[in-house]
Amino acid sequence: GDSVTQMEGPVTLSEEAFLTINCTYTATGYPSLFWYVQYPGEGLQLLLKATKADDKGSNKGFEATYRKETTSFHLEKGSVQVSDSAVYFCALKLTGRRALTFGSGTRLQVQP
Amino acid sequence: GAVVSQHPSRVICKSGTSVKIECRSLDFQATTMFWYRQFPKQSLMLMATSNEGSKATYEQGVEKDKFLINHASLTLSTLTVTSAHPEDSSFYICSATDREAGQPQHFGDGTRLSIL
Repeated sequence: GDSVTQMEGPVTLSEEAFLTINCTYTATGYPSLFWYVQYPGEGLQLLLKATKADDKGSNKGFEATYRKETTSFHLEKGSVQVSDSAVYFCALKLTGRRALTFGSGTRLQVQP
Repeated sequence: GAVVSQHPSRVICKSGTSVKIECRSLDFQATTMFWYRQFPKQSLMLMATSNEGSKATYEQGVEKDKFLINHASLTLSTLTVTSAHPEDSSFYICSATDREAGQPQHFGDGTRLSIL
């Protein structure tokens, strides 16, 4: 079946450090890929997405590139801030299906 | 931006109680709403897809009679956990799809259900 695997957290970084959160997927066909973020006490918000191979999604300094050859969609940011502390979810959506399949989430803690 | 309101945010009740969770789209019409369940340190698992004016579609392994879903209008879907037991304790999250855009899904803040 379809699945998303992302690195376990928590990931603890100092402010201005480089961030990578790994995400790999297993799917039939060619899914669209998403990163969602959940700040404390809030709902999930779409951070970025990519709909086909080699597409790069970007938003708020975060980037992720759809790598078909490695079935990956790793999230990166060059310089994290304390305000980036949240739980990040990688997700996929198959063509013709409206529901999302989520990874387990990775908690990021950024220390001043 | 599009907002989805989920209520209540937290429920603590005794075993055998039925609990209703509401999911409202505040500024858009949601033809489709989704209900997810999240266990600690695990993925969000899709429970069911709710389409306005029709019966919900449940995922394999989800008990229809246990988790009653109603989507009577374009702005409201409800999930009722009937005769809840401790094993039903979990974090429940709804999301809604805008009729015009189709995607992306807009999520509620979730409901933490604790059954004693």
